[in-house]
Order: sequence, then C-alpha cells, then structure tokens
Amino acid sequence: DTGVSQDPRHKITKRGQNVTFRCDPISEHNRLYWYRQTLGQGPEFLTYFQNEAQLEKSRLLSDRFSAERPKGSFSTLEIQRTEQGDSAMYLCASSLADRDRGEQFFGPGTRLTVL
Amino acid sequence: AQSVAQPEDQVNVAEGNPLTVKCTYSVSGNPYLFWYVQYPNRGLQFLLKYITGDNLVKGSYGFEAEFNKSQTSFHLKKPSALVSDSALYFCAVRDYSSASKIIFGSGTRLSIRP
Repeated sequence: DTGVSQDPRHKITKRGQNVTFRCDPISEHNRLYWYRQTLGQGPEFLTYFQNEAQLEKSRLLSDRFSAERPKGSFSTLEIQRTEQGDSAMYLCASSLADRDRGEQFFGPGTRLTVL
Repeated sequence: AQSVAQPEDQVNVAEGNPLTVKCTYSVSGNPYLFWYVQYPNRGLQFLLKYITGDNLVKGSYGFEAEFNKSQTSFHLKKPSALVSDSALYFCAVRDYSSASKIIFGSGTRLSIRP
C-alpha cells in the first residue's frame, strides 16, 4: 500500500495523559498536513510541513500540541495533558508542492477518545 | 476569509435517480474548489477539483461538478445514483491566505436507497 498511513488507528486515554500519533506520507510527497475532525464537522486544519520545516500552525493548535517531521518523511503529533475536548479524529494528508493545487491525499485517521 | 457552505446535512435519493449535493463558496480571487468523499472507517478520498477552464468538471466514480461563478456554487452531481455512493461528502476550497490549507464544509450525508 503506497497511500498515507497513520498509527494507531484508535487511541483511548485518560484525561491528563500524553499521546503521540504517527503519520507516514506518500513517499515522494514533500508536504504533510494535520487536520482534526469532530463528529458532524468537516476537517479543520492544524498544521503543515514542507519537508522538515513546519510552515504554518492554526490557532486551534494550543501549546499542548506539538508536531514534528524530523527528517522530512514521517511526522508525529503529540498532545500533552489531554483533555476531553481533544477527543476527535486526527487526519494526516500529504501532497507534492510543485503540483499542489490543493489536492491532498488523506490517511485513514487516528480516532482519539479521552475519558 | 475563504469559506464553503453545504446547506443540506442529508440528501436521500433512490437508486438510479440523479443526485445533487449542494455547495456554495466565498473567496477573494479565483477559487480552487474540491469535492472529497468519506466512507465509514476510511480516509477522505479526492473526487474532483475545479481550478480553471471548463465549468463542468468530471471526477471519480461517475461524479461531476458544475462551477457557477455568478451563483458562487459548485454542486456535485451524478446522473444515476448507486447504493454504494452512500457516504459523507465534503466540499472544500483552497485558502489563499495559506500556501496549502484547505477549508472544508461541514459535510452532507448522502443516502441512496435501493
């Protein structure tokens, strides 16, 4: 499978715990994005990388959230001191910058439940 | 600021009938518009996009969308619905204030009855 993959697919945690999600983009894609989707809503942009550089962060991304893409390949999204309001589907997407007219390829998502 | 609106939470259509899922947009400048589909337990899948050119855009699975600048609409259509088309559909627009951000609508659940 050469699509975008995400791990884990599901995560249940207790309030106050830290969680980390991983995204592996399509191999030749140099742009990587994180979105959050809550029930009944469309995905909301969180942040994006071009290669290893994090170029934009949404105001939705509080100080408890941090994302990295250390070698310009896979990315991690960490949430510290989770809150119940963090419960959502976290989506990763990738694209090629030089062909980037907005078409992004999405992974299956990581569903986070904070108890 | 760029935005999209999907006025219908749910659309119900009988199999074999034509379907339309509505979308209106608000952008400054020329819009880049998209439709994505989300099946249960699967990621968002790209269906089609409008960048420039012909107002009728053809995409995957027999879907097409019509760009109407005067009405600021980008409705998704299919001449003959299949039960397998039942899914959640999102209209989206490229955000010109960002290099790459896509702004999604709230989604329309399409239900095709046999």
